[in-house]
Amino acid sequence: AQRVTQPEKLLSVFKGAPVELKCNYSYSGSPELFWYVQYSRQRLQLLLRHISRESIKGFTADLNKGETSFHLKKPFAQEEDSAMYYCALKSENQGGKLIFGQGTELSVKP
Amino acid sequence: DTEVTQTPKHLVMGMTNKKSLKCEQHMGHRAMYWYKQKAKKPPELMFVYSYEKLSINESVPSRFSPECPNSSLLNLHLHALQPEDSALYLCASSQESLIARLLFGSGTRLTVV
Repeated sequence: AQRVTQPEKLLSVFKGAPVELKCNYSYSGSPELFWYVQYSRQRLQLLLRHISRESIKGFTADLNKGETSFHLKKPFAQEEDSAMYYCALKSENQGGKLIFGQGTELSVKP
Repeated sequence: DTEVTQTPKHLVMGMTNKKSLKCEQHMGHRAMYWYKQKAKKPPELMFVYSYEKLSINESVPSRFSPECPNSSLLNLHLHALQPEDSALYLCASSQESLIARLLFGSGTRLTVV
């Protein structure tokens, strides 16, 4: 079964501390993975995709096929990073469907 | 225009009412989606339209009826809803070749009383 697991419902860090939001997936083929972010009172938006290996707002995520993980990392958290973060997997057999994890709420304290 | 626009932003309706949610995009995206989202939960896929044809219906109750009149417009018709249907309804679109790279609207906050 295709599944995305985000084990932490809430992650609280202080400003300037490193942050890692965990994402594990189960998938039989070659996965396409994404991180979406939802800031308070703003629309859900794509943060990054594993295919592009980009860094957006200082965040990076590396696909680890051996550990079936796609953790989101940032070396120095900022208060404006506080948001809900969703890891998502493109469905293997239903084109157009994203399988979302349950989300992690990141709170960055001053 | 690089946004997905949803109207209305807020809607309160009774259980016997009929209402419609509207979504519009002018980016030439040929895939459009309806999602339902409860507070601090992930969005749940309801429907997917591809080239104006319904391609995915996630076993949504018939009191929700989608419609795609043209490539820029997506509607969600609501009838005889229940209080548990209260949620944020999100529309999204994507290029056919970049499915899963979704662009979301800001949503319609629906309250059923």
